[in-house]
Amino acid sequence: GQQVMQIPQYQHVQEGEDFTTYCNSSTTLSNIQWYKQRPGGHPVFLIQLVKSGEVKKQKRLTFQFGEAKKNSSLHITATQTTDVGTYFCAGVPFSGAGSYQLTFGKGTKLSVIP
Amino acid sequence: GAGVSQTPSNKVTEKGKYVELRCDPISGHTALYWYRQSLGQGPEFLIYFQGTGAADDSGLPNDRFFAVRPEGSVSTLKIQRTERGDSAVYLCASSLSGTEDTQYFGPGTRLTVL
Repeated sequence: GQQVMQIPQYQHVQEGEDFTTYCNSSTTLSNIQWYKQRPGGHPVFLIQLVKSGEVKKQKRLTFQFGEAKKNSSLHITATQTTDVGTYFCAGVPFSGAGSYQLTFGKGTKLSVIP
Repeated sequence: GAGVSQTPSNKVTEKGKYVELRCDPISGHTALYWYRQSLGQGPEFLIYFQGTGAADDSGLPNDRFFAVRPEGSVSTLKIQRTERGDSAVYLCASSLSGTEDTQYFGPGTRLTVL
């Protein structure tokens, strides 16, 4: 079955440093979505990427979708303590079967040291 | 407007017992998903409903797990003969039409099987 790998598993950064998490799927994706989960919370949708090579920005967050639609990255510029949490990528496969189940990576847990 | 709600927020049960977990999706959302999240892992897909029917139940781990959505709104996840390995946070998500729409997650039910 489809697998989504995400690295690194943990990242500790000093406040103000940049942060990047990488996501790689074993199969071509229809789209990829990114979620943030705060400690004790539930996943909160950040963004969806659909097109090959797509780049989207949300303030200090930059999301990229690879040309082959198998990998993606999330980059945060100048981290703040409010960025703390676990960032998950989740892929929707090209199945054509009408199922839109998300396959999540294991997430990257970000800690920001003030 | 109201988001996805789930009840109970916490459920403690004994091995072998039967449990029901409830999900109230966002009003008007036709697609509903159940996921299971174990500690340190990303959410794992269980089942997807489009309207009243289970369009994809490929993620249900075994026949002890069953879910219904009789009127196309509220859904109930039912677990028979619970095992300690069933302990996890059960997340429900809904989306507008189940195509490639954003999935909005509820706060989850933390199930503990003693």
